[in-house]
Amino acid sequence: EPEVTQTPSHQVTQMGQEVILRCVPISNHLYFYWYRQILGQKVEFLVSFYNNEISEKSEIFDDQFSVERPDGSNFTLKIRSTKLEDSAMYFCASSYPRPTDTQYFGPGTRLTVL
Amino acid sequence: AQKITQTQPGMFVQEKEAVTLDCTYDTSDQSYGLFWYKQPSSGEMIFLIYQGSYDEQNATEGRYSLNFQKARKSANLVISASQLGDSAMYFCAMRDQGGSEKLVFGKGTKLTVNP
Repeated sequence: EPEVTQTPSHQVTQMGQEVILRCVPISNHLYFYWYRQILGQKVEFLVSFYNNEISEKSEIFDDQFSVERPDGSNFTLKIRSTKLEDSAMYFCASSYPRPTDTQYFGPGTRLTVL
Repeated sequence: AQKITQTQPGMFVQEKEAVTLDCTYDTSDQSYGLFWYKQPSSGEMIFLIYQGSYDEQNATEGRYSLNFQKARKSANLVISASQLGDSAMYFCAMRDQGGSEKLVFGKGTKLTVNP
């Protein structure tokens, strides 16, 4: 069964460093998403991406964040200058439009900012 | 704004028994989708079941069923014949299918299945 994959599974970085989180969505899906989950809290939407551009973003997704689909398979989230509060689990998800728009999540990348 | 409320921080159930996890939602939209996800201790988010706001029948997927009461704005997950592997966090989520693409999640319920 097709699945969303994410690398790395765990990333440790120093405050102020740039990180890139990588995702390979399900191959025939058209919508791509990033969510984050701070430890012990609920899952929060960051951004959605369709047709090679951002279609929606939350207030969390400020200028420090960017997304890219550099080729036909990868989808990346870049954090330019990490802060301590960026420590969280980051989930990539993808969906195929209609009938249910169900979003399938990857296993997550745990980001730890020291 | 859309909101999901899960009032049970933790639930316990005996193996082989059924359990209901509560979820209420608040939206002014007419067209929306409701989703349940399972998050085991390993951390991944696993899609379980979907209910559309216009679906007349309650959704079922194997041992999972969704008790959808539109007038009460509730979408409770029922797990029948609980198994030890069902122990996990369970999140209810909603998506407005007429506009926003984002999923709005509740805070989750931690289910523990006892042998």
